[in-house]
Amino acid sequence: GAVVSQHPSWVICKSGTSVKIECRSLDFQATTMFWYRQFPKQSLMLMATSNEGSKATYEQGVEKDKFLINHASLTLSTLTVTSAHPEDSSFYICSAGWGGNQPQHFGDGTRLSIL
Amino acid sequence: AQRVTQPEKLLSVFKGAPVELKCNYSYSGSPELFWYVQYSRQRLQLLLRHISRESIKGFTADLNKGETSFHLKKPFAQEEDSAMYYCALSYGQNFVFGPGTRLSVLP
Repeated sequence: GAVVSQHPSWVICKSGTSVKIECRSLDFQATTMFWYRQFPKQSLMLMATSNEGSKATYEQGVEKDKFLINHASLTLSTLTVTSAHPEDSSFYICSAGWGGNQPQHFGDGTRLSIL
Repeated sequence: AQRVTQPEKLLSVFKGAPVELKCNYSYSGSPELFWYVQYSRQRLQLLLRHISRESIKGFTADLNKGETSFHLKKPFAQEEDSAMYYCALSYGQNFVFGPGTRLSVLP
């Protein structure tokens, strides 16, 4: 149980385009989803916390207008990288959980490459 | 602010040797602590949580509230234990990860 699916797993696109990444909890309802960014051989960097039905809470230094997060249902959260540039190239990971002090379950991540 | 620290970025041990990955946290309430592991080219997965008090893959971790620590231990390391290990603290709707420790078990 507690499977989190992230799609796409890898995307390559041109600079200036927008890219949407989906995070789905397949067999449970996730009240809280987190979005992370991970650079090679580095730790996870929390970007934002997404609660179903409310606005996401962004970490300091993360541009809200650049990284749009939507958590419209208890099983789906999306991250849209708007007007992507090469410096946005990274590995993006989502996690989902029941909230409270329950563990988070992770997706496989999305490798984003901006040309 | 709540923080999780893992002082070692890289820890190398020989196969069969004991291993301890350190984790300290700062939180004034009752913490919920976890260890996550990320093997090469795989997703992060939950290794263990402190309230379950179980041993997973030979690893154990004890919460020491006096020292605000939650160190991960294994008496005899195996090569397949080589991975990235993250300590995490949960409080309310928040989840805070430490910077991670890369464990390398040498043959």
